[in-house]
Amino acid sequence: NAGVTQTPKFRVLKTGQSMTLLCAQDMNHEYMYWYRQDPGMGLRLIHYSVGEGTTAKGEVPDGYNVSRLKKQNFLLGLESAAPSQTSVYFCASMGPNYQPQHFGDGTRLSIL
Amino acid sequence: AQTVTQSQPEMSVQEAETVTLSCTYDTSESDYYLFWYKQPPSRQMILVIRQEAYKQQNATENRFSVNFQKAAKSFSLKISDSQLGDAAMYFCAYSNNNAGNMLTFGGGTRLMVKP
Repeated sequence: NAGVTQTPKFRVLKTGQSMTLLCAQDMNHEYMYWYRQDPGMGLRLIHYSVGEGTTAKGEVPDGYNVSRLKKQNFLLGLESAAPSQTSVYFCASMGPNYQPQHFGDGTRLSIL
Repeated sequence: AQTVTQSQPEMSVQEAETVTLSCTYDTSESDYYLFWYKQPPSRQMILVIRQEAYKQQNATENRFSVNFQKAAKSFSLKISDSQLGDAAMYFCAYSNNNAGNMLTFGGGTRLMVKP
């Protein structure tokens, strides 16, 4: 039982490059989330999805795009990476009845 | 907007002793959930305990318990019989039934456990 899997676990980009982070969950959860965690801080919500084909903005959405084409996958894209986007990115999913969110292990992204 | 505040950036406890981590939050909602997450150096986010606001009884999970004061908007975590493995960052988080049940996190408290 894999739970929530994030790919890749670590990546270094140059300013201006683009990339996509993949989140996959095998629990048939409707809700999925992308958070970022900066050093010494709590997680902040970037975007989220309440079901296949839906997305919505969170607290810090600028510079990111997301897609939820399949229920089990939630993609986070950076079109033109900036040093300010250096962070650890966490994906999470949640099932029905307000169960706690399940988190992936995070992706450390460094932008030079 | 909801906010979550953890006023203790760092706490230290002797092994086998008890420690309490503080959390306050601000919301206009009456129905919501509160959580404590543990983040060890491996950076995994591990759920420690959850409290539903409509339940007056404080949640407990083995050595972990909370003191939930709804009127004061306070949600503290008590760790009894502290163990070396309890050393980690602890995050308080809030969620309600609106807007996708997103979590709002506090800034975290680093807990050190002394042998």
